[in-house]
Amino acid sequence: AQKITQTQPGMFVQEKEAVTLDCTYDTSDPSYGLFWYKQPSSGEMIFLIYQGSYDQQNATEGRYSLNFQKARKSANLVISASQLGDSAMYFCAMSYYNNNDMRFGAGTRLTVKP
Amino acid sequence: NAGVTQTPKFRVLKTGQSMTLLCAQDMNHEYMYWYRQDPGMGLRLIHYSVGEGTTAKGEVPDGYNVSRLKKQNFLLGLESAAPSQTSVYFCASSLGNIQYFGAGTRLSVL
Repeated sequence: AQKITQTQPGMFVQEKEAVTLDCTYDTSDPSYGLFWYKQPSSGEMIFLIYQGSYDQQNATEGRYSLNFQKARKSANLVISASQLGDSAMYFCAMSYYNNNDMRFGAGTRLTVKP
Repeated sequence: NAGVTQTPKFRVLKTGQSMTLLCAQDMNHEYMYWYRQDPGMGLRLIHYSVGEGTTAKGEVPDGYNVSRLKKQNFLLGLESAAPSQTSVYFCASSLGNIQYFGAGTRLSVL
């Protein structure tokens, strides 16, 4: 089964600055998708961004971009111009194209300082 | 837009009691999922369904049963609750790759 690793339990960033949240994964299957979800203190899981393993370009969604380095098996989330509302837990996840068994990392708690 | 709705939001059980968590989605999604989230960990898949009348085991299926009698509903059952099942339970649904989550159910088993 795929394994997702988020090595940063907690991160701090100054408001309006950019921050990178790390995610590495382990798989031998070439066909997979990578996801980032945000979980604010209210508890819901909010989808942020998706990257397919065959996508040629890095995914972007507004202030979120995914720095996909396939050879290094990393899928880091970059948040530009951080806002106070970005303070939350962030989870990296992965699933294969041929099944729906999504595996999550342990998460990174991001705190945005004013 | 209701999206994915979970009921109840909170529940306290005694060891050995049974209960059913209900997940309903109004997006006509084929796939539905049940996860649990424990402190310091990401979500772990319990069971999932790829369509009405079908279910499959995920990463941590023991102690749980599921049913998908209607496309819009996915039920998670605990037949004999144990303290180890104290957790936050999330339901999700998807049409393609992206899963959309409910607000979660916080379950405590005493």
